[in-house]
Amino acid sequence: SQTIHQWPATLVQPVGSPLSLECTVEGTSNPNLYWYRQAAGRGLQLLFYSVGIGQISSEVPQNLSASRPQDRQFILSSKKLLLSDSGFYLCAWSRDINQPQHFGDGTRLSIL
Amino acid sequence: TQLLEQSPQFLSIQEGENLTVYCNSSSVFSSLQWYRQEPGEGPVLLVTVVTGGEVKKLKRLTFQFGDARKDSSLHITAAQPGDTGLYLCALEGGSQGNLIFGKGTKLSVKP
Repeated sequence: SQTIHQWPATLVQPVGSPLSLECTVEGTSNPNLYWYRQAAGRGLQLLFYSVGIGQISSEVPQNLSASRPQDRQFILSSKKLLLSDSGFYLCAWSRDINQPQHFGDGTRLSIL
Repeated sequence: TQLLEQSPQFLSIQEGENLTVYCNSSSVFSSLQWYRQEPGEGPVLLVTVVTGGEVKKLKRLTFQFGDARKDSSLHITAAQPGDTGLYLCALEGGSQGNLIFGKGTKLSVKP
């Protein structure tokens, strides 16, 4: 069966520090991968998606970047965090672009 | 870009009551997915509906797809505290065919 792992579960970082959140998927190959941000337990905002290694599409301009160095690894990064980067970050995978998505347990990021 | 609205935004009920939440789109869609998210966790897929007028049942949950393929509803019978969570609907409508999510209905079932 397929599983998705996302870490860390919680993170507290000072403003201006770098960020690296990692997500890995097991049990499937060539998945579509996604990074979302969710504010205050509400709707999901798609940040990045990837249909293959090295292929990253950005949905919104921001202080963040994403990379896919391996087929089942998706990384969300920032060089300098802003207060507005606080939130709940979710990684997800799907078999195809409009298919049901399977989510990790999220990372709660707090910027001080 | 399609707009997706969910209502109500918040719902607080007592255990044993019935409830219905709604998902409405600004235009016709081909399929729709319902997810439930518990606090501190990622959303979990409940069901996908693809045919106009389709009804799917998942224990006490009944999902309906509108005939015009612009709306969907989720009905919960005899709600339990374990049903508490954020209910999200999603459909294909973003750029490159990505899913777009509604803002969700936050359900609280009190014992």
